[in-house]
Amino acid sequence: EVQLVESGGGLVQPGGSLRLSCVASGFSFSMYSMNWVRQAPGKGLEWFSYISSSSGTMYYADSVKGRFTISRDNAKNSLYLQMNSLRDEDTAVYYCARSDGTLGNFDLWGRGTLVTVSS
Amino acid sequence: QSVLTQPPSASGTPGQRVTISCSGSSSNIGSNYVYWFQQLPGTAPKLLIYRNNQRPSGVPDRFSGSKSGTSASLAISGLRSEDEADYYCAAWDDRLSGVVFGGGTKLTVL
Repeated sequence: EVQLVESGGGLVQPGGSLRLSCVASGFSFSMYSMNWVRQAPGKGLEWFSYISSSSGTMYYADSVKGRFTISRDNAKNSLYLQMNSLRDEDTAVYYCARSDGTLGNFDLWGRGTLVTVSS
Repeated sequence: QSVLTQPPSASGTPGQRVTISCSGSSSNIGSNYVYWFQQLPGTAPKLLIYRNNQRPSGVPDRFSGSKSGTSASLAISGLRSEDEADYYCAAWDDRLSGVVFGGGTKLTVL
């Protein structure tokens, strides 16, 4: 089955760190670019990070630049998100999403993992 | 406040045709493809329209997309109760070097 499965979410204190993972199956992971998109409770979608298939290109939204790092391991069919200096406003469901190299073409999404930043 | 502007809500009765607008600027919709996503309650988003007007396999032809200048629209014809969901437009923004989403439109089927 073609799917993405996120993990690693949970409760963390402001200023803390968390690492999310996204495992891909059913397709050639190494051929696709990957993204992280989040959705705060009751709010809309926010794209915030992109990584190309070879990890040669990465983009970040200003809201996370300098705090979050996207990476991938094609041998493990896995995408990662290292989140540091977490803030209350980072509370959201975090989705990984596949794209075919065309920026914005998120054709496969995971079910998401909830990150709650609270003291 | 979202970079792309969508109406917060839309509604229609079964069988009706509804349209959802998405307004942007020259740095996003005006120069890049537009994408539409459907998010059913409690689920992950799903790609509905790509490259302005293309439907992925499995998406009914009741859904169609169009783009003109710095605006885009999603049309849903033959409205059905299962179409009740949140709809989001998105596009790459050259100035921000990132993907921007609209704020989302909640579609209610009366």
